[in-house]
Amino acid sequence: DAGVTQSPTHLIKTRGQQVTLRCSPKSGHDTVSWYQQALGQGPQFIFQYYEEEERQRGNFPDRFSGHQFPNYSSELNVNALLLGDSALYLCASSWGLAPRTYEQYFGPGTRLTVT
Amino acid sequence: SQQGEEDPQALSIQEGENATMNCSYKTSINNLQWYRQNSGRGLVHLILIRSNEREKHSGRLRVTLDTSKKSSSLLITASRAADTASYFCATARGGSNYKLTFGKGTLLTVNP
Repeated sequence: DAGVTQSPTHLIKTRGQQVTLRCSPKSGHDTVSWYQQALGQGPQFIFQYYEEEERQRGNFPDRFSGHQFPNYSSELNVNALLLGDSALYLCASSWGLAPRTYEQYFGPGTRLTVT
Repeated sequence: SQQGEEDPQALSIQEGENATMNCSYKTSINNLQWYRQNSGRGLVHLILIRSNEREKHSGRLRVTLDTSKKSSSLLITASRAADTASYFCATARGGSNYKLTFGKGTLLTVNP
């Protein structure tokens, strides 16, 4: 049973560039959430996708956008990169939006470095 | 902003000892979860405790929740070197069970 996968593992970009990160949820899961984790900090919620729609969003600017495909995989796009966007980006999957679906499964993350 | 605050920020113990980490949060919650993270990689779910529960066990893990004090503790008994990792508490509020708010974590080092 494949877990959550993310690509790429590492990425180096220059300020002002755009980046796309990818996530495939755990088999059987249909909901994907994205988190940003700065060095030495806990993860912060960016947004969540269910049924190809953004359902909830954290306190992140519009430079952060996403997409979910019919096969439940998801992309995170960040435009006009800033040095402060350097972080580990984590994808988490779960099943549905029902209150009983508490547990989220996290991928290994994508380490983004902006120079 | 981060809901949970773990205490201590760092903890160093010897193999075989028990490790206790605490978490405080600010608002009412549906549930509180503990996660482990090795070397800045993905998080591994350890245990979930609902707001109407006071204590929960899973193997060598024991979690308590005191909603009146808005605090939780994670106890790892008979620690092993492999338990060395960062431990985070995360809270889920209201209907947003899938939107987790994490603390800054406790870095646990278990010395062999």
